[in-house]
Amino acid sequence: SQQGEEDPQALSIQEGENATMNCSYKTSINNLQWYRQNSGRGLVHLILIRSNEREKHSGRLRVTLDTSKKSSSLLITASRAADTASYFCATPLKTSYDKVIFGPGTSLSVIP
Amino acid sequence: KAGVTQTPRYLIKTRGQQVTLSCSPISGHRSVSWYQQTPGQGLQFLFEYFSETQRNKGNFPGRFSGRQFSNSRSEMNVSTLELGDSALYLCASTSSGYNEQFFGPGTRLTVL
Repeated sequence: SQQGEEDPQALSIQEGENATMNCSYKTSINNLQWYRQNSGRGLVHLILIRSNEREKHSGRLRVTLDTSKKSSSLLITASRAADTASYFCATPLKTSYDKVIFGPGTSLSVIP
Repeated sequence: KAGVTQTPRYLIKTRGQQVTLSCSPISGHRSVSWYQQTPGQGLQFLFEYFSETQRNKGNFPGRFSGRQFSNSRSEMNVSTLELGDSALYLCASTSSGYNEQFFGPGTRLTVL
């Protein structure tokens, strides 16, 4: 099964609302990364949080990491229609650091 | 710096044929990873190359192979194509382990 699992699978919100996505993983990690993918295109790196960090911000993005629960959350504040995309969490395996495992993703729709 | 480039962007093949996809990483990046993305299976790790050596491999049959050249450019080859090989193939490069990956736009392969 997947190393990372996002929740929910799909999310639909109104423009201006906040969107929260969660990710759970199974094994020990050095860092956890979030990526965005617009329909059928390549992935864009959003933010990387290291295992010794609990929270990280980048613009309208806020990521938290709870290593005791093996979970992370991505919060997008004041969402825009342009935020419509799929969001993936990814974890490089600690035993094989360039083997990165992606979760199934959360599909976010922001309605104008 | 130029981003990760992948060629071709679109490809249509028939069952039984073989295909070669190419990826040029960001200048200075020595690690190149390949992923297969399908609606049913999501993003799956194929393999990762560093300095012309395959360091990591996902759970794909031997029909999927790859290589990396001395200039870090990488190719992946799929022989005896099956309908289920239809997917978006993504390549990503990174400067070193544990860091963010930079993705190319992908090659959309359709097998008829």
